[in-house]
Amino acid sequence: GENVEQHPSTLSVQEGDSAVIKCTYSDSASNYFPWYKQELGKRPQLIIDIRSNVGEKKDQRIAVTLNKTAKHFSLHITETQPEDSAVYFCAAPHSGGGADGLTFGKGTHLIIQP
Amino acid sequence: DGGITQSPKYLFRKEGQNVTLSCEQNLNHDAMYWYRQDPGQGLRLIYYSQIVNDFQKGDIAEGYSVSREKKESFPLTVTSAQKNPTAFYLCASSMSGGNQPQHFGDGTRLSIL
Repeated sequence: GENVEQHPSTLSVQEGDSAVIKCTYSDSASNYFPWYKQELGKRPQLIIDIRSNVGEKKDQRIAVTLNKTAKHFSLHITETQPEDSAVYFCAAPHSGGGADGLTFGKGTHLIIQP
Repeated sequence: DGGITQSPKYLFRKEGQNVTLSCEQNLNHDAMYWYRQDPGQGLRLIYYSQIVNDFQKGDIAEGYSVSREKKESFPLTVTSAQKNPTAFYLCASSMSGGNQPQHFGDGTRLSIL
């Protein structure tokens, strides 16, 4: 099955600065990579995802980049705001076909300092 | 995501007791999943179901059981064989075919009495 590593475990940035969270995966057959945001005690919410036929995807202040050769993908948040404070999880298909759930990284606690 | 309802929000289990967590979805999704979340950990897959009357074990299925008698419902039973059941349990669903966004319920927090 898939193995997903996520770094860093905690990231503190000044409000207005950028934040970058990185993940690596092990299964070269994986082709779908979502990112979830989870606020304390709440459900994870999908914020952006990318498929392997593209190298980058943007949605306003959020972007995801994918390097299939190196098997890593990253979340970029620009102009960070206090409401960006949360735990962020990356994920990849549990197996290459993706029909049997997701394997999640251990999460990054993003802290936005005022 | 209002399309997936988990209940109860909080649940307490006594020694030797089986408890069942409910998950209902009205998104017409074929696939449903159960994950367990522990502090400082990512989500770990317990069971998943791609279609009614069929389900498969995930990475940590021991001590858990599920059923999928209806498309809308995927209840999870935490049995007495699960010795460390205290965790946050999340149900999710997605369209069929794999590599689809998963939508989560609000979760059930299970504790031991």
